Amino acid sequence: GENVEQHPSTLSVQEGDSAVIKCTYSDSASNYFPWYKQELGKGPQLIIDIRSNVGEKKDQRIAVTLNKTAKHFSLHITETQPEDSAVYFCAGSSNAGGTSYGKLTFGQGTILTVHP
Amino acid sequence: DAGVTQSPTHLIKTRGQHVTLRCSPISGHKSVSWYQQVLGQGPQFIFQYYEKEERGRGNFPDRFSARQFPNYSSELNVNALLLGDSALYLCASIRSLAAYEQYFGPGTRLTVT
Repeated sequence: GENVEQHPSTLSVQEGDSAVIKCTYSDSASNYFPWYKQELGKGPQLIIDIRSNVGEKKDQRIAVTLNKTAKHFSLHITETQPEDSAVYFCAGSSNAGGTSYGKLTFGQGTILTVHP
Repeated sequence: DAGVTQSPTHLIKTRGQHVTLRCSPISGHKSVSWYQQVLGQGPQFIFQYYEKEERGRGNFPDRFSARQFPNYSSELNVNALLLGDSALYLCASIRSLAAYEQYFGPGTRLTVT
């Protein structure tokens, strides 16, 4: 089955700096890659996603890049703010074999701390 | 529109007991997926249901079961609880079988003593 590895496990930055989180996946059939932000005591919140037919996607201060050949994808947050502090998870999914995207395989998470 | 709702918020059970967790998806969404999130780890897929039918199952023992009702709400049942079942149980709402996005509820925190 799919395996998703995420690095780093913790990331500390100063307000205004950029933050980058990287993930690799093992199943070449995976073709959908969402990123989630989880704050303490809450469920994961979908912040951005990318499909395998696109190499890069941007939404304001957040961007995601995908390299299908190398099987890795990254989350980039620019101009970080203290409210960006949370745990971030990458995930992968596939609809290969007529299945749906209902099964997400998650990375281990990155604790991002943005210092004012 | 209300988001994904889950009940109860917290639950404490004793080893060997059974538990039922409930989820209501976003209005108009017809599929739910269940995940277990152990402290400090990413969520792990347990089940997906669509139109009352199981459409996917993760690597969990038969003590875990689920069902979906005609109004698309869902229940997750766990029998013969073990200490290792202590976790945050998350429900994700999905619009349809072809949809990509999953929207999570706040979860149910289960503690087994």
